[in-house]
Amino acid sequence: DIQMTQSPSSLSASVGDRVTITCRASQSISSYLNWYQQKPGKAPKLLIYAASSLQSGVPSRFSGSGSGTDFTLTISSLQPEDFATYYCQQSYSTPPVTFGQGTRLEIK
Amino acid sequence: QVQLVESGGGLVKPGGSLRLSCAASGFTFSDYYMSWIRQAPGKGLEWVSYISSSGSTIYYADSVKGRFTISRDNAKNSLYLQMNSLRAEDTAVYYCARDLSATGTTYDYWGQGTLVTVSS
Repeated sequence: DIQMTQSPSSLSASVGDRVTITCRASQSISSYLNWYQQKPGKAPKLLIYAASSLQSGVPSRFSGSGSGTDFTLTISSLQPEDFATYYCQQSYSTPPVTFGQGTRLEIK
Repeated sequence: QVQLVESGGGLVKPGGSLRLSCAASGFTFSDYYMSWIRQAPGKGLEWVSYISSSGSTIYYADSVKGRFTISRDNAKNSLYLQMNSLRAEDTAVYYCARDLSATGTTYDYWGQGTLVTVSS
């Protein structure tokens, strides 16, 4: 199974900051990488698919990059509604589908 | 608009059974792969199972293989998860999710989730 490792596990930032979250796969997954946002008590929401494609309706301050084993999710200017937990997920070698452990983004 | 509504969760004793349902609306259900994904309290996301649009292709996570059965009824726009031999470690919120990619691996719409608690 492909293991997905996110860093950091938690992060404190301020409104307006530029934030980057990293995801590393245990083997190459080409560009088969998705990013989700989850707020407390809510279902996850797809932000980015295929490493860099912005899901419809997602603000353009979110962007994704990377290929192979190393990927990043960048929020260009944090907004109050962006404080949440973010998960990466590989869709390359399935089953099983595997997720990262999550990165909790908190207000500084 | 796309809606997925799960039901059937609750408290069950270890070794017991439960059947989850997911009612879909706002899209042509029979065109999409569907999946179940769970989240234990305070933990991350764990994929459980997916089923192809016709129901002919099904996969399970090793942690549930042999105990859980995914199925669908395209005439009723519904997805199901039959869970048998439940264990404490199956306690989680269970989400149904629609697949964007026709591979069972990219989830563009999720239900609100239904909580399954396995405890004596």
